[in-house]
Amino acid sequence: NAGVTQTPKFQVLKTGQSMTLQCAQDMNHEYMSWYRQDPGMGLRLIHYSVGAGITDQGEVPNGYNVSRSTTEDFPLRLLSAAPSQTSVYFCASSYSNRNGVDSPLHFGNGTRLTVT
Amino acid sequence: AQTVTQSQPEMSVQEAETVTLSCTYDTSESDYYLFWYKQPPSRQMILVIRQEAYKQQNATENRFSVNFQKAAKSFSLKISDSQLGDAAMYFCAYWGYSGAGSYQLTFGKGTKLSVIP
Repeated sequence: NAGVTQTPKFQVLKTGQSMTLQCAQDMNHEYMSWYRQDPGMGLRLIHYSVGAGITDQGEVPNGYNVSRSTTEDFPLRLLSAAPSQTSVYFCASSYSNRNGVDSPLHFGNGTRLTVT
Repeated sequence: AQTVTQSQPEMSVQEAETVTLSCTYDTSESDYYLFWYKQPPSRQMILVIRQEAYKQQNATENRFSVNFQKAAKSFSLKISDSQLGDAAMYFCAYWGYSGAGSYQLTFGKGTKLSVIP
């Protein structure tokens, strides 16, 4: 039972480079989301999706793109990396966007990204 | 927008003692859920306990319990008989309606708990 799988675990980029953080879940969850975690800031929502073909912005979406072509996958793209995007990124999923009790968020193990 | 406030950036507790972590939130909704997540140094996010806003009874999970005060918008976590493995960052989180037909999970900034042997 893989749950939520994030790749890579670690990544170092140079300013201006692009990359995609991968997130896949095998639980048939409708809701998927991306958070970034910075010291003293908690986790902040970047983008989320309530189903295939549907995405929306969260609290800190600038500099990031997402797409949801399948139920299983929700990649996060950095088009032109900046040092301010140095952070730990978490992908999380849930059965339902509405039913938070029966289906709390399941988190991946995170990706530590450093932009130099 | 909903906000979640954890006023204690760091806390410490003696092993076997009890500690309470504070959390307040702001919302105009009446239907929502509240969570405490634990994040050990491994970075994994672990759900500790959850509370439905419509339930008056406080949730309990073994040594973990909450004091949910809906009118005061307060949701504190009590850890009894603290163990070394409880040392971690603890996040309070609110799950509720965020507008445009969507629900989101909003986190506080966290409380770092140290357990002293």
